[in-house]
Amino acid sequence: DQQVKQNSPSLSVQEGRISILNCDYTNSMFDYFLWYKKYPAEGPTFLISISSIKDKNEDGRFTVFLNKSAKHLSLHIVPSQPGDSAVYFCAATSYSGAGSYQLTFGKGTKLSVIP
Amino acid sequence: DTGVSQNPRHKITKRGQNVTFRCDPISEHNRLYWYRQTLGQGPEFLTYFQNEAQLEKSRLLSDRFSAERPKGSFSTLEIQRTEQGDSAMYLCASSLGEWGGQETQYFGPGTRLLVL
Repeated sequence: DQQVKQNSPSLSVQEGRISILNCDYTNSMFDYFLWYKKYPAEGPTFLISISSIKDKNEDGRFTVFLNKSAKHLSLHIVPSQPGDSAVYFCAATSYSGAGSYQLTFGKGTKLSVIP
Repeated sequence: DTGVSQNPRHKITKRGQNVTFRCDPISEHNRLYWYRQTLGQGPEFLTYFQNEAQLEKSRLLSDRFSAERPKGSFSTLEIQRTEQGDSAMYLCASSLGEWGGQETQYFGPGTRLLVL
C-alpha cells in the first residue's frame, strides 16, 4: 500500500511558465513533508519542506502548498528554468516510535523544462 | 565539501560475493539513515542510527544485510551472499535530530550496486 503517491510520472513545461507537481498521501500521521530533486546518478537534494501546521511555505521560486483535509500537497516552481529539469520526489515523515523520522517517498515526477 | 559522502560510487560484483559500502555523514549530525532505491521507485527506508545505536530496521533488511556505526560517525552497510535482486542504488542520509522535532535529511550521492 503506497502511502505517498505522485500520480504523474512526467511533466513538460515551457521555460518561464509555472510547473506544478502534485502529491497525495494516505497516512494521517504524517506531520512533515519535503520535496527533493534528483539528477541521474546523484542522491536526492533537499528543496523545500512544510510542517503540517502550515498551509504554505515559500523559498525563492519554489512554493509548497499543503491541503490537510484533502491529504494533498503541491510544489510550484515559478518561473521554470531548464536547470529545473530533474526527477522530483515528494516525501513525508512522522515519528516512528522507535526514534526515527524515516521518510516515505513517492515514485517521483520527471520534470522537463523546454527552452 | 561538508555534505554526506558515500564510497564507492559504483560497485559491480558477482552473485554470492560480499560487498561493503561506507557513508560519512555531515559531521555534527547525530542521525543516520540508509535507504535503497530501485528503478522507477522512490527511496525506501532500510535502517536508522541514533549516534552509534541502531534503533530501527525495515523488514526490507534481510539477515544478509548488516549495518554498523561504531563510533557514531561513519557507517557501513554490508551485504553478504549478494543476489541479483540486491541491485539498486543505496543511499545514506543524515540529520541533526532534536527530540520531538521535525528534521530535514540530507542525502549522499549514493552507491550503485550491480550484481551479475
